[in-house]
Amino acid sequence: AQSVSQHNHHVILSEAASLELGCNYSYGGTVNLFWYVQYPGQHLQLLLKYFSGDPLVKGIKGFEAEFIKSKFSFNLRKPSVQWSDTAEYFCAVRSTDKLIFGTGTRLQVFP
Amino acid sequence: EPEVTQTPSHQVTQMGQEVILRCVPISNHLYFYWYRQILGQKVEFLVSFYNNEISEKSEIFDDQFSVERPDGSNFTLKIRSTKLEDSAMYFCASSGYLDYGYTFGSGTRLTVV
Repeated sequence: AQSVSQHNHHVILSEAASLELGCNYSYGGTVNLFWYVQYPGQHLQLLLKYFSGDPLVKGIKGFEAEFIKSKFSFNLRKPSVQWSDTAEYFCAVRSTDKLIFGTGTRLQVFP
Repeated sequence: EPEVTQTPSHQVTQMGQEVILRCVPISNHLYFYWYRQILGQKVEFLVSFYNNEISEKSEIFDDQFSVERPDGSNFTLKIRSTKLEDSAMYFCASSGYLDYGYTFGSGTRLTVV
């Protein structure tokens, strides 16, 4: 079965710092990968997704992710975080017709 | 932007009671899902629904759970006899063509006391 690992459980940054959140998936074939964000008390919102083509995917709010097939990775990046980026970030992979989520990374950004 | 709507936003129920969580998916979507998130834990898949039948379900989705699309617009999750461990945030999601991502609702926080 497919699985997703997020090794950073809690990340604390100052505003303007660069961000990289790790995501590794288990399946070696064709994958569809997603990053979702969950702001406090809110629902999951799609940041970006990868299906095929350019492995560097640009999403909303200045986020991007790079699909590296050889490393089974899909890390999320942002060059300069803001206080408003404080949230929980979930990596997910599509398996048949459902999403398998990682355990999430809690990001706290301090002014 | 189209939204997935869930009601109620918060429901408190006594152990052993039946609850029905309601969702209105995006109107032209074909695939419907329920996920749950126990406080502080990851989002877990419960069930997927397509063409008026369950297409896949997880181990969590036992005989206490059922789903229904009663009228072509609503999508419901019923828990027949709630247990304390059913306390969680329940998210509904829908998808059009599978490769275009999934839209989630705002969730229903279920508290079983």
